[in-house]
This record gives sequence, structure tokens and C-alpha cells, in this order.
Amino acid sequence: GESVGLHLPTLSVQEGDNSIINCAYSNSASDYFIWYKQESGKGPQFIIDIRSNMDKRQGQRVTVLLNKTVKHLSLQIAATQPGDSAVYFCAEKGLGSGNTGKLIFGQGTTLQVKP
Amino acid sequence: DAGITQSPRHKVTETGTPVTLRCHQTENHRYMYWYRQDPGHGLRLIHYSYGVKDTDKGEVSDGYSVSRSKTEDFLLTLESATSSQTSVYFCAISAGLAGGIGEQYFGPGTRLTVT
Repeated sequence: GESVGLHLPTLSVQEGDNSIINCAYSNSASDYFIWYKQESGKGPQFIIDIRSNMDKRQGQRVTVLLNKTVKHLSLQIAATQPGDSAVYFCAEKGLGSGNTGKLIFGQGTTLQVKP
Repeated sequence: DAGITQSPRHKVTETGTPVTLRCHQTENHRYMYWYRQDPGHGLRLIHYSYGVKDTDKGEVSDGYSVSRSKTEDFLLTLESATSSQTSVYFCAISAGLAGGIGEQYFGPGTRLTVT
């Protein structure tokens, strides 16, 4: 069945460094991917999304890269700040979801930013 | 923040009792979703709605039912709560762009403990 997974459960980086969070997905037909950030005690918050007809998309301090050949998605955070400490989830549009917008979530990577 | 509220925010209940969680939105979005979040499993879809009185099952729907009598409200009912339903429950909404593309916005969550 479908699955979305992240390579590392925890990532620790120094403040000011760049962070790279990785995600592998299983459904080669997926055409839409999203990254969410979840701070402790809160609901997931949308960061950035990308459609399968793109390889790269940039936001404010964040970049998402999509490699459809190896079914790999990554989130890059530039100049990581303490406020970036959170759990990051990747999600893909569910197989056969049509217009329902159903998403399949990965298990999450905890980003720890060291001062 | 998207106008999504969940009630109650915390609840402790006994095994075998029915429980209803409420999600309320002020965005007039068509799609609403209920997820549960457990350690090691990320976010899993329980049920979703694509319009008033239009609902469908997600991947972990056993033991849950939903109702949507108004655009703004989506109710999740645990018919007879079990300890395995102890979890954090999130509601999400989406405007539902063509082809199911579009981010979901999450509520603050309800922490449910079944003793």
C-alpha cells in the first residue's frame, strides 16, 4: 500500500546552519506533496507544497526539492533558527483521492536547533 | 490562522462510553477531515467530508462515525470508546482546489484519554 516515510526521526543542527529534512514516498503516480511543521501542543502548520510537474519550489527560507526518479522529497531550511524547532511532516496526495484532497502523512522528523 | 476550533480540547472518559468531538470552521470550506495522531504513526485519516451530509471513510475508520449537518460543523463520534482510541485528534479543512490539490489547515487538536 501507500506509504510516506522520513529517513531520520530526529535531526539536530546548529543555529544558523542549513537543515535538510528528507522524505521518501512510495506512490510513483502522486502528483502533489506538502510539508507541514508541528510545534509542541499545536496542530500541523502548512509550510510549502509542490506539484509533480516541478522539481523545486522556494518559499521564505525554505526550499522543497522533488526527485521523481527515486521518489524522494526534501525540505531545506536556510539559516535555521530556534523557532524552527518542531516536528516536520511530509505528505502526499492519496492514491485514488480524486478531488477529495486526501493526504497520506509520513511519521515526522523532529528538528532540534542547538544555540 | 485559519478559523478552525475544536471542542473539547481535553477529555478523559471511561471505556464503553460514547464521545463526540466537534470541529467548527468559519472559512466556509467544502472539505473537512478528522485525523488521529499517535506516536510512531504520524497522522492517520479517520473520516472526511466533501459537503453537507457527504462523508466517507479514511484509513482508520473502525469504531468512529461522523456527521456534517452544516457546512461549518463536522462531528466525530466514538460510539463506544476503547483504550486504543486514546489519542490526539485533529480536524482539518480544505478549500479543495481542482484535482484535489490544495493545502489543509489544521485545528488545535483534542487530547482524548480513555481509561
